[in-house]
Amino acid sequence: DIQMTQSPSTLSASVGDRVTITCRASQSISSWLAWYQQKPGKAPKLLIYKASSLESGVPSRFSGSGSGTDFTLTISSLQPDDFATYYCQQYKSFALTFGGGTKVEIK
Amino acid sequence: QLQLQESGPGLVKPSETLSLTCSVSGGSISSSNYYWGWIRQPPGKGLEWIGSIYYSEKTYYNPSLKSRVTISVDTSKNQFSLKLSSVTAADTAVYYCAKHPKVFGVVSSPFDYWGQGTLVTVSS
Repeated sequence: DIQMTQSPSTLSASVGDRVTITCRASQSISSWLAWYQQKPGKAPKLLIYKASSLESGVPSRFSGSGSGTDFTLTISSLQPDDFATYYCQQYKSFALTFGGGTKVEIK
Repeated sequence: QLQLQESGPGLVKPSETLSLTCSVSGGSISSSNYYWGWIRQPPGKGLEWIGSIYYSEKTYYNPSLKSRVTISVDTSKNQFSLKLSSVTAADTAVYYCAKHPKVFGVVSSPFDYWGQGTLVTVSS
């Protein structure tokens, strides 16, 4: 299986901050990476696919980059609605795997 | 607008079989354009893919769960189902059903539509 490692596991930030979350794959996954946002008690929501493509309806303050094994999700200016947990997921192989998650908390 | 809704018992006894159904509305379960999948999330923990099914034919399972999992489709009811056998307390989780697109030339894809999730507790 391809292991996905996210860092940090928790991040404290203020409204307006630029936030970066990283995700590392245990082997190359090309650009077959997605990012999700999950709020308490809710299903995950797809934000980014193919490492850097923004899902329809997702605000442009979210962006993704990277290829191979190292990826980042950036929120350019953190908004109150963005406090949530973020997960990466690889889909290079059909043993689909998720990162452990990054919780973005209010500082 | 595609909608997915999980249903099934919220409490299952250890060693028994967990059975859940996902009802799909706003789209056809028979479409060749989609995979249908199950993902779970233990309380306070991360996401784990369980398995997916394509076009009622091809199934893909998490290797760590493969010996206990069966996913099937009922086209007459526009539903797909999950069976997980020999459950233990470690199988306690919120179970989500979800859809992911079939994309030519790509092995798999991310989940773009999710159900709201259903909590299944394994306890005697």
